[in-house]
Amino acid sequence: AQSVTQLGSHVSVSEGALVLLRCNYSSSVPPYLFWYVQYPNQGLQLLLKYTSAATLVKGINGFEAEFKKSETSFHLTKPSAHMSDAAEYFCAVNTGRRALTFGSGTRLQVQP
Amino acid sequence: ETGVTQSPTHLIKTRGQQVTLRCSSQSGHNTVSWYQQALGQGPQFIFQYYREEENGRGNFPPRFSGLQFPNYSSELNVNALELDDSALYLCASSLDGGADSNEAFFGQGTRLTVV
Repeated sequence: AQSVTQLGSHVSVSEGALVLLRCNYSSSVPPYLFWYVQYPNQGLQLLLKYTSAATLVKGINGFEAEFKKSETSFHLTKPSAHMSDAAEYFCAVNTGRRALTFGSGTRLQVQP
Repeated sequence: ETGVTQSPTHLIKTRGQQVTLRCSSQSGHNTVSWYQQALGQGPQFIFQYYREEENGRGNFPPRFSGLQFPNYSSELNVNALELDDSALYLCASSLDGGADSNEAFFGQGTRLTVV
């Protein structure tokens, strides 16, 4: 079975600081990996996805993630945090049944 | 292009009752997946419908059932509601049976509270 683990349920950064949200995956086959963002009382919005075309994936709102097979990681980064980035972030992997398996989420807080 | 819409947005039901949640998929999408998101957790896959047939199911009991209609809209039905069914229910639409790399577009969700 495939799974993802998000390290850190809460991350707090200052506005303008680097954002790093961690995700490690477990998969017996090459995975498809996704990062989603969820704002309060809203659904999920796709930030970016890895589909084996390139290991460094650029997404919306200045986010990017790097697929590292040797570390089984797919960490999400943004060079400079903005107040509007405060939200819940979910890493997800496909399961082969064409469903997404999500991590437990990381709540990002941005301090002024 | 119309996005994924879900109705109702909020719902309160009594334990033991039945509930039906509705989802209209994004224009051009033929696949709908349903997820349950309990408070403070990530979404959990319930099932997926592709061209009106169930195309995969997560670890949910049979009292969770669904339908997909010819226009690709979908319903999630839950019978004999339990308190633990209280959650945000998310619908996601995609193309072609949700082939692994295809993006899933999510609706705003239905917040179900069971009392």
